[in-house]
Amino acid sequence: EPEVTQTPSHQVTQMGQEVILRCVPISNHLYFYWYRQILGQKVEFLVSFYNNEISEKSEIFDDQFSVERPDGSNFTLKIRSTKLEDSAMYFCASSVRGSGGEKLFFGSGTQLSVL
Amino acid sequence: GESVGLHLPTLSVQEGDNSIINCAYSNSASDYFIWYKQESGKGPQFIIDIRSNMDKRQGQRVTVLLNKTVKHLSLQIAATQPGDSAVYFCAEGSEGGYNKLIFGAGTRLAVHP
Repeated sequence: EPEVTQTPSHQVTQMGQEVILRCVPISNHLYFYWYRQILGQKVEFLVSFYNNEISEKSEIFDDQFSVERPDGSNFTLKIRSTKLEDSAMYFCASSVRGSGGEKLFFGSGTQLSVL
Repeated sequence: GESVGLHLPTLSVQEGDNSIINCAYSNSASDYFIWYKQESGKGPQFIIDIRSNMDKRQGQRVTVLLNKTVKHLSLQIAATQPGDSAVYFCAEGSEGGYNKLIFGAGTRLAVHP
């Protein structure tokens, strides 16, 4: 079965540094998402993306966050100036369509640790 | 705000028994519900979904039940196997909107031989 792949699996950074988390969605999918999971907490929606635009974002997704589709295969999440509370597992997901009720496929995540 | 939550944080069962994992949701506007399985070090894996026009849906060894009256969702796993050990999340969404899911807190299922 096709998979969403994420790199790196672990990222350690210093507070205030910029990080870029990378994802390769499933090739025929058009809608892309980032979710995060702080240790021991719920998986939380961050942002959805389609046609090179953000379609929806949560209150977590502030000006420090940005997403980009730099080429035909990658989808990235950038955090400009990391804070301690950004430490979490970040999951990328994709779906064929963006309407509610579409099956989301998740990657294995990038564990971000901000020191 | 409105959220999805779970009644039991952990569930221990014997191999071969049936498992039932419960979930309560509070957003009455949600009309799409999904169960995900998350194994250690992996992302959420889709198990089964159900739309609000249904009360029950069956898959392979899994059944999801939806009770809209009391806003309750359950996942039943038949003949639980060691490979079923994982954290299970319910999630809710809206078919009319973008694919933004609200996840519950998760229940850890531990299957003992």
